[in-house]
Amino acid sequence: AQKITQTQPGMFVQEKEAVTLDCTYDTSDPSYGLFWYKQPSSGEMIFLIYQGSYDQQNATEGRYSLNFQKARKSANLVISASQLGDSAMYFCAMREGQNSGYALNFGKGTSLLVTP
Amino acid sequence: NAGVTQTPKFQVLKTGQSMTLQCAQDMNHNSMYWYRQDPGMGLRLIYYSASEGTTDKGEVPNGYNVSRLNKREFSLRLESAAPSQTSVYFCASLRDRLADTQYFGPGTRLTVL
Repeated sequence: AQKITQTQPGMFVQEKEAVTLDCTYDTSDPSYGLFWYKQPSSGEMIFLIYQGSYDQQNATEGRYSLNFQKARKSANLVISASQLGDSAMYFCAMREGQNSGYALNFGKGTSLLVTP
Repeated sequence: NAGVTQTPKFQVLKTGQSMTLQCAQDMNHNSMYWYRQDPGMGLRLIYYSASEGTTDKGEVPNGYNVSRLNKREFSLRLESAAPSQTSVYFCASLRDRLADTQYFGPGTRLTVL
């Protein structure tokens, strides 16, 4: 069963606007972590932001924030003031406990295009 | 401090050939991982190693073998390559805590003809 679902294959946003990339997850483990990675056309995986299942506040890192709604099992990424350099693939990922070796389960990704 | 390095960056194989993808990290991390990325599929776990001397299967282990040579190095071997193994392969490492970030290598683009 798919553990991470990203329902938006592609998104467009105008420069300087905010955009929300959706992510829902499925787990029965009370302890888990949620991550967002960016993959530009050059191919590397760039870590953006992390949210722990026990964190009370939504995570923020500069222009990135994670809208964590635990009851809904959603972890949406919000990018404020979009820049042309934000055009990339974005992946949501979840890490469960030690039994899975702390490996990440990835969603299929959302392709974001920022237009001038 | 190079982080996670992978060799080669690109490789073309013929069906049935074998090869080993090399991965090394210099961050003294305990856990290492191999993922593959196919178009529209995200990254899928092939194998992982939680510590030196241990390896475990991930979601898509068929057709692959791994070796955790020492704490730094984790190699992925294709014994008899198939076109279905055409993919981009990423190695990653992790210190060992739930909140820690996985650090990824630059990837190896493999084509099997």
